[in-house]
Amino acid sequence: EAGVAQSPRYKIIEKRQSVAFWCNPISGHATLYWYQQILGQGPKLLIQFQNNGVVDDSQLPKDRFSAERLKGVDSTLKIQPAKLEDSAVYLCASSLGGGRREKLFFGSGTQLSVL
Amino acid sequence: AQTVTQSQPEMSVQEAETVTLSCTYDTSESDYYLFWYKQPPSRQMILVIRQEAYKQQNATENRFSVNFQKAAKSFSLKISDSQLGDAAMYFCAYSTGNQFYFGTGTSLTVIP
Repeated sequence: EAGVAQSPRYKIIEKRQSVAFWCNPISGHATLYWYQQILGQGPKLLIQFQNNGVVDDSQLPKDRFSAERLKGVDSTLKIQPAKLEDSAVYLCASSLGGGRREKLFFGSGTQLSVL
Repeated sequence: AQTVTQSQPEMSVQEAETVTLSCTYDTSESDYYLFWYKQPPSRQMILVIRQEAYKQQNATENRFSVNFQKAAKSFSLKISDSQLGDAAMYFCAYSTGNQFYFGTGTSLTVIP
């Protein structure tokens, strides 16, 4: 079974530039999550999709971050414009359903450095 | 607010020995799940073990077991017969409804 695919693996940009990350979840998984993991901290949820609808985006900085999930499968997370504090690893995860007992399957993340 | 606290930023263990990682959480919910995830240098987080709050029996998965103390809101992970491949960041997580909350992690070093 293929895992959660993410790209790119690394990205270096200058502040005020824009960047996009891509995620392909495990086939058949209805729920997709984007997490931000700042160095030394645990993952923090940015946005959660159930199929192609947003379940929770309460911690997404909507003035600069946007995300979409096309046809309930792939997802793209965009930052525009980037700030220094956006430097982090961006993790995508998926699960079969969206309940509290669900096992999350994670991708390898994108490490973003904003200079 | 739900919070997850891991008070040990770093731990080390000799190969083949046993180590316990601590986790406490704060919640007013009665129905929830607790998890331990492992994050190796590859960054891909992998589920180690899962515990349902309603189950009194502690979960076990091969060399991994938990000590779940619901009243104390404590959820520690015990790794027996530690192996070099166990070296990683370990995150405790709490889930209720459709939200997951992660601790700040414990970095485990395994000494040959």
